Amino acid sequence: DVKVTQSSRYLVKRTGEKVFLECVQDMDHENMFWYRQDPGLGLRLIYFSYDVKMKEKGDIPEGYSVSREKKERFSLILESASTNQTSMYLCASSRAGTGNTEAFFGQGTRLTVV
Amino acid sequence: AQSVTQLGSHVSVSEGALVLLRCNYSSSVPPYLFWYVQYPNQGLQLLLKYTSAATLVKGINGFEAEFKKSETSFHLTKPSAHMSDAAEYFCAVRGNTNAGKSTFGDGTTLTVKP
Repeated sequence: DVKVTQSSRYLVKRTGEKVFLECVQDMDHENMFWYRQDPGLGLRLIYFSYDVKMKEKGDIPEGYSVSREKKERFSLILESASTNQTSMYLCASSRAGTGNTEAFFGQGTRLTVV
Repeated sequence: AQSVTQLGSHVSVSEGALVLLRCNYSSSVPPYLFWYVQYPNQGLQLLLKYTSAATLVKGINGFEAEFKKSETSFHLTKPSAHMSDAAEYFCAVRGNTNAGKSTFGDGTTLTVKP
């Protein structure tokens, strides 16, 4: 069974802390994504990566960075957490190539910044 | 640029009634279209995807969607709603590059009344 695993289901952090959200996939997928989900706003893409050490900004990259040192792992970093980063964070992966390849999602990390 | 619009952020139906969730897209041809479902406190999982092999696509749990190019629509239907169908549903369009970014709609929450 294919799997995308996010390291934490729930996190509570303080304002100003550096926060790491980890994601691991076991499907040998080339592409990995970080989304943020807020009520009424759907999923918004923060960053994505199409290869090891490669990354591209999504629609809302401000306040975030990412790291992909190994193919199976994609980390999202909040350099200095703020209360407006309280949200549900979803990691996803997919195969490379054109066509109708779907994304596989992790269970999500609900982050609260206090 | 690709985009999807989901009409109606909340849909309520009675158990046994028809489910219709609407999605309109804007994309270069060919569009790669998906419906995902999200149960509470979980990640998204694929319901169905448009493969261009057939305009009527069947998915899991009795759902299906019809691709209508003339109307730029990809509406999701199920003939008879079940209580377990209560969830949030997302329509998505995927780009045709190798990185395969997907753009998601804002989501539709389906409530099923007994």
